[in-house]
Amino acid sequence: DIQMTQSPSSLSASVGDRVTIPCRASQYISTYLNWYQQKPGQAPKVLIFTASNLQSGVPSRFSGSGSGTDFALTISSLQPEDFATYYCQQIYSTPPTFGQGTKVEIK
Amino acid sequence: EAQLVESGGGLVQPGGSLRLSCAASGLTFTTYAMNWVRQAPGKGLEWVSALSGDGDSTYYADSVKGRFTISRDNSKNTLYLQMNNLRAEDSALYYCATSRESTGYYNFDYWGQGTLVTVSS
Repeated sequence: DIQMTQSPSSLSASVGDRVTIPCRASQYISTYLNWYQQKPGQAPKVLIFTASNLQSGVPSRFSGSGSGTDFALTISSLQPEDFATYYCQQIYSTPPTFGQGTKVEIK
Repeated sequence: EAQLVESGGGLVQPGGSLRLSCAASGLTFTTYAMNWVRQAPGKGLEWVSALSGDGDSTYYADSVKGRFTISRDNSKNTLYLQMNNLRAEDSALYYCATSRESTGYYNFDYWGQGTLVTVSS
């Protein structure tokens, strides 16, 4: 199975900050990488498909980058509603696997 | 707008069985692959199983293979997960999630709110 590593597991930031969340795959996955946001008590919500494609309805302050094994989710200007946990997911091979999540907390 | 509603969770003893259901509406059900994804309390996301739109192709995580069975009734727009020989480590919130088959099986665009399974004596 492909392992997805997200480090750090949490980070503190302020409203208006630019935040970058890294994700690394244990092997080559091209751009078969999705990003999800999960708020407490809610189901995950997809933000980005195939590394850099913004899901319809997701604010443009979210962007994704990377290919191969190294990826990142960037929030250009953090908003109050963005405090949540973010997961990367590889879909290059079965089973699809998730990173352990990065929790974005208020500084 | 698509909606997924899970049901069937509960408290069960180790070795017991449960059948989860996921009722879908607001989408053309047969054009979606369906998945179960679980999340243990305070933990991350773990994919469990996938099923093609026509029901012919199934996929399972190694941790549940041979114990869980995924199925669907396209006439009822409903997905199922039969869980047998349950273990404590199967305790989690179980989500159903869709993926348009045209884009692959694992691009989870719609999610339900989950149903909680607790395996304990």
